[in-house]
Amino acid sequence: AQSVAQPEDQVNVAEGNPLTVKCTYSVSGNPYLFWYVQYPNRGLQFLLKYITGDNLVKGSYGFEAEFNKSQTSFHLKKPSALVSDSALYFCAVLASGGSYIPTFGRGTSLIVHP
Amino acid sequence: NAGVTQTPKFQVLKTGQSMTLQCAQDMNHNSMYWYRQDPGMGLRLIYYSASEGTTDKGEVPNGYNVSRLNKREFSLRLESAAPSQTSVYFCASIQQGFAAKNIQYFGAGTRLSVL
Repeated sequence: AQSVAQPEDQVNVAEGNPLTVKCTYSVSGNPYLFWYVQYPNRGLQFLLKYITGDNLVKGSYGFEAEFNKSQTSFHLKKPSALVSDSALYFCAVLASGGSYIPTFGRGTSLIVHP
Repeated sequence: NAGVTQTPKFQVLKTGQSMTLQCAQDMNHNSMYWYRQDPGMGLRLIYYSASEGTTDKGEVPNGYNVSRLNKREFSLRLESAAPSQTSVYFCASIQQGFAAKNIQYFGAGTRLSVL
């Protein structure tokens, strides 16, 4: 079975400060890892992914995430937060070679204060 | 490209009424999914269809049925709505395979209230 944990329901950060949204996972075999963002009253939008290769992946809107196999983590980061980054962020895992059923975390609400 | 289109966007039902949520994707994706999103619960998979002609139960299938009408369309039916089915429903699709990167594309959601 695969699982995803997002330990923080909410993350608060001041505009201009760096942000981190945490994600840890459990999966059999090699993982495919994803971050999605959801703005109010919208569907989820793809932000970035890790499939293989470089552990640091870069995505949309200046976000990046670091895959750490030993810690089974895939934390989302951004060097300088914007108020417009305020949204709900979901981490997801998919087992490579398995069924195409992603498992999502419960989501972390990011609030960026002016 | 429209991506994933869901209809309706909003719906209010009375307990016991039935309705069908429609979903269509124009990306020629193989797999399609129905999720429900409730506060603090994240996304929970109701049903999915790995390919045209197949459907399988997800985490919370009770009270729902689905139909994969063709490769484009995947509908979700509530036969007898209950207040516990008040939620936001999302349809998603995915193009399988390493080259396709397995990214899911989501519709804008259907906000359903059952009174």
